Amino acid sequence: GAVVSQHPSRVICKSGTSVKIECRSLDFQATTMFWYRQFPKKSLMLMATSNEGSKATYEQGVEKDKFLINHASLTLSTLTVTSAHPEDSSFYICSARDNKGIGNQPQHFGDGTRLSIL
Amino acid sequence: QKEVEQNSGPLSVPEGAIASLNCTYSDRGSQSFFWYRQYSGKSPELIMSIYSNGDKEDGRFTAQLNKASQYVSLLIRDSQPSDSATYLCAAKTSYDKVIFGPGTSLSVIP
Repeated sequence: GAVVSQHPSRVICKSGTSVKIECRSLDFQATTMFWYRQFPKKSLMLMATSNEGSKATYEQGVEKDKFLINHASLTLSTLTVTSAHPEDSSFYICSARDNKGIGNQPQHFGDGTRLSIL
Repeated sequence: QKEVEQNSGPLSVPEGAIASLNCTYSDRGSQSFFWYRQYSGKSPELIMSIYSNGDKEDGRFTAQLNKASQYVSLLIRDSQPSDSATYLCAAKTSYDKVIFGPGTSLSVIP
């Protein structure tokens, strides 16, 4: 099945550091990728939709200058958490949808990145 | 009103029983629905997708969709302890976003 690789799986860093998370679709092309955030025992909250070759679309309440998204190719999207603070600590998960086939293709998730800001 | 709703549980069933998970959605224009399983500390994995009214079976899993009632369900037959996880219902809305429900925690008791 479709594979989405997310790296790194875990990050622990000091407050004020910027952290970059990569999301790659390994065996398919994805014009659109999605970034989610999940707090403990809560559901996935969509942060933004990453669009290849154009600006990301951010959900209401998500700071675009805080969470920088770049989707430079059909297989790679990156999320950079700038000047991270303890409240940014969370589980960040990306997903991608195969360009091929019908528009109802399900999303395939990366393994997630657990970010801990000290 | 939340866009996708699920009972948070926990739902406890004995091993070998049928687990029934329910989900409702508010956007009547939604056309695609998905069930994901998420183990603690892991990312979600796709179990089933369903697009048409009726039942769709895959092994021990059966998804049911009723668009008139805006209702989706997942049945797990012969439940195993390894099925213990949180099950997320998701709907692709008419504005092309996939919205997830809060998840139902399932515990299968040996």
